[in-house]
Amino acid sequence: NAGVMQNPRHLVRRRGQEARLRCSPMKGHSHVYWYRQLPEEGLKFMVYLQKENIIDESGMPKERFSAEFPKEGPSILRIQQVVRGDSAAYFCASSLREGYYEQYFGPGTRLTVT
Amino acid sequence: AQSVTQLGSHVSVSEGALVLLRCNYSSSVPPYLFWYVQYPNQGLQLLLKYTSAATLVKGINGFEAEFKKSETSFHLTKPSAHMSDAAEYFCAVSPMDSSYKLIFGSGTRLLVRP
Repeated sequence: NAGVMQNPRHLVRRRGQEARLRCSPMKGHSHVYWYRQLPEEGLKFMVYLQKENIIDESGMPKERFSAEFPKEGPSILRIQQVVRGDSAAYFCASSLREGYYEQYFGPGTRLTVT
Repeated sequence: AQSVTQLGSHVSVSEGALVLLRCNYSSSVPPYLFWYVQYPNQGLQLLLKYTSAATLVKGINGFEAEFKKSETSFHLTKPSAHMSDAAEYFCAVSPMDSSYKLIFGSGTRLLVRP
């Protein structure tokens, strides 16, 4: 059973460009979570999605960031007009159900904004 | 708001020595608690979790943690360190009102000296 897959693993963008990060959850998992890890810090919750629904986006910056989890295909985290402060590792996790079920993490996408 | 504090951003031990990584949480109600390990350039792997059953929780790779409500602590221990234990360790809490939202500490980097 393949784990959570994220691509690309590394992404370099110039300031003002768009970044698209993709996450394919584990097979059978319909709950997806995105976290951001800034250098030398722990992970911070960004958003929780189920298929075609955003359940909780309280950790998402109000502007430039959006997330989706369509009926078919991977979950996408989109960052428009990137700035240097967006440089971070972005991790996706998935779980079988909501609640205290284990979240399985992907290897992350390391975004560098130049 | 709930928070997690990990004392010591870096811990260095000799191979074969006891490993002790400290974690304290703030919560009026005992939450669910987790320890994750992150190897370089990889995602997070669950070591163990406390879900209000036994207060002493055994995890993978010989790690265990003890939940102490009176001290609001969930310290991670391993009797004898291996070189392969060198990694970053994160303590996390799952709030009762939004159990899917993991709140992470800032992490402790474990160094193992030969």
